[in-house]
Parts: sequence; structure tokens; C-alpha cells
Amino acid sequence: DTAVSQTPKYLVTQMGNDKSIKCEQNLGHDTMYWYKQDSKKFLKIMFSYNNKELIINETVPNRFSPKSPDKAHLNLHINSLELGDSAVYFCASSPWGTTNEQFFGPGTRLTVL
Amino acid sequence: SQQGEEDPQALSIQEGENATMNCSYKTSINNLQWYRQNSGRGLVHLILIRSNEREKHSGRLRVTLDTSKKSSSLLITASRAADTASYFCATIWDQGGKLIFGQGTELSVKP
Repeated sequence: DTAVSQTPKYLVTQMGNDKSIKCEQNLGHDTMYWYKQDSKKFLKIMFSYNNKELIINETVPNRFSPKSPDKAHLNLHINSLELGDSAVYFCASSPWGTTNEQFFGPGTRLTVL
Repeated sequence: SQQGEEDPQALSIQEGENATMNCSYKTSINNLQWYRQNSGRGLVHLILIRSNEREKHSGRLRVTLDTSKKSSSLLITASRAADTASYFCATIWDQGGKLIFGQGTELSVKP
């Protein structure tokens, strides 16, 4: 009965590779997000989708491409991985609207060697 | 940077003591939220306070908001070892759901 799930939990890869992280929510929410948390624990939003439509794109390099096949899923594909992409990536979801709390997944720790 | 600031960055207290964390932000807000992150885990929502509210309680948590000073505080009373975690404030303005997070406070509660 996990609310927001992400796979994989850990991802170790070489520079230049392409990788994907998957996220699924079973809360019936319309909106999903990707956040990046760096080594100093700074959390920053990357993207949000509402009902499969891109709403927020926070000046993320275009090597990062989110894809939402349906409103319960938001995947993150990263091309040509760089050392600086090493971080923990969190998926979150919420009902549409500003007054709503966001529900976070457990995170995917990406290490680029 | 739009990122807010929190202080202290780290706080160490004994079980049973109160813990106070402060958050300052830079932009107008619709509401401010506090989240907890246990080590190696995702964030868990604790409490939300709207811009027209000044104080809110939830169990052992008390949040205040001063929009004139663009600041908020989170008080955890009678702390427990299980409260050991990082605490983040986050503000939100528009319908896009863009949360802007503070830097976080690492709380350590010693038994």
C-alpha cells in the first residue's frame, strides 16, 4: 500500500551513460514532481506535471527529460550523465492546488563515477 | 537564490527538552509547510500554515508565521529520540505547486 514509490533506490553508473528513474503514485493525485537533493541537503524542484502536462521546468539541463505516460506515473530519464548529477532524486505527488501538502517517495540515490 | 534560510543548521538537545527551529524566506507566499526527513528517507509533511494564519498546533508541534518579517518557527515540545531528523520549511506561492525549501535544520535528540 505504498503511496509514492520510486525505482531503483540506488543507481551507480559511469559518466556518459543514460539512465531512468521511475515513479508511481497510488493516491489518485493529479500532480507529480521531481526534486533534486544535493550533498548539502539542498532540495530544489526540477519538474512538475499536472495530468500528464508539464507545468514547471526549472532551468534543468535538457539532458533531463521527464515523461508522464499517465497521471499515476512520472519517470525521469537522464542522458549523458555527469559527475554533478550525483544526488538523491525525490518524486512527489499532490492534489492540484497551492494549499496541498506533497507526498514524497523514498528517493533514488544516483552516484555517477 | 529563492532558497530560504533556516537556523540553527544543527541543534542537539536532550530528550524531554523543547526544540525551536527558525525559517526565513524571501518571496510572497500562499502557505508555508514544514517537513521532516529521517536519515536516508523521503520527506514527511508535518504541518501547513496559511499566509493569513499566525499560529498553528498539531500534537507536540507549534508553528508560528510572521509574514511582515517573512519568518516562521517550528517548536517541538517534550522532544523524543525518535524526533531526530532534518526539518525543512518550504513555501509555496502559486498553483503550480512549486515548493521552495529552506536549507534545513538537523535535530539530534539524545536519550
